[in-house]
Amino acid sequence: ILNVEQSPQSLHVQEGDSTNFTCSFPSSNFYALHWYRWETAKSPEALFVMTLNGDEKKKGRISATLNTKEGYSYLYIKGSQPEDSATYLCLGAASGTYKYIFGTGTRLKVLA
Amino acid sequence: DGGITQSPKYLFRKEGQNVTLSCEQNLNHDAMYWYRQDPGQGLRLIYYSQIVNDFQKGDIAEGYSVSREKKESFPLTVTSAQKNPTAFYLCASSPADGMNTEAFFGQGTRLTVV
Repeated sequence: ILNVEQSPQSLHVQEGDSTNFTCSFPSSNFYALHWYRWETAKSPEALFVMTLNGDEKKKGRISATLNTKEGYSYLYIKGSQPEDSATYLCLGAASGTYKYIFGTGTRLKVLA
Repeated sequence: DGGITQSPKYLFRKEGQNVTLSCEQNLNHDAMYWYRQDPGQGLRLIYYSQIVNDFQKGDIAEGYSVSREKKESFPLTVTSAQKNPTAFYLCASSPADGMNTEAFFGQGTRLTVV
């Protein structure tokens, strides 16, 4: 069973602050981890797909790291802006299956 | 433009009636998925299909049924056996080797059973 957990469940930060969230998953049988950004009334949008231990990916002010041996991934947002307000989802995929399992998400609110 | 379409966006049904939610994609993706979200909770996997004419139960399949007769379509039927059908339903698709490539999502259907 693939159990994907995210923390914190929600957080508020001030504009300009940097922040980070965690996604944890079972390290055994791991295949891939995805990060998505989900704004209200829109479809989830892919940020990163990561498969290799030690992977680090960056898109603008957002970056992510992956540690498959200990079973976690961090998502970092540098200099948060109000438009970063969204729910950030991680999705785990186990080796040998197409079963994608979501974490519960982290709801970010950036205050102007 | 390629994409994934769910319809309708809002759906109301009387208790005891079956209802079918539509999910169509023109991305040529082999794999398709259905998720359910309840207020304050995360997305939970209902059913998934890796290829036409094949599908697998997810974590909360009871009270639901699916079919995959065409690559483009993966309709979800919420049956009267589903005890708490009111929820937000999200459909997704991904390529055949899609675990290391991103999934694409519809905009969801909010089902209310009265």
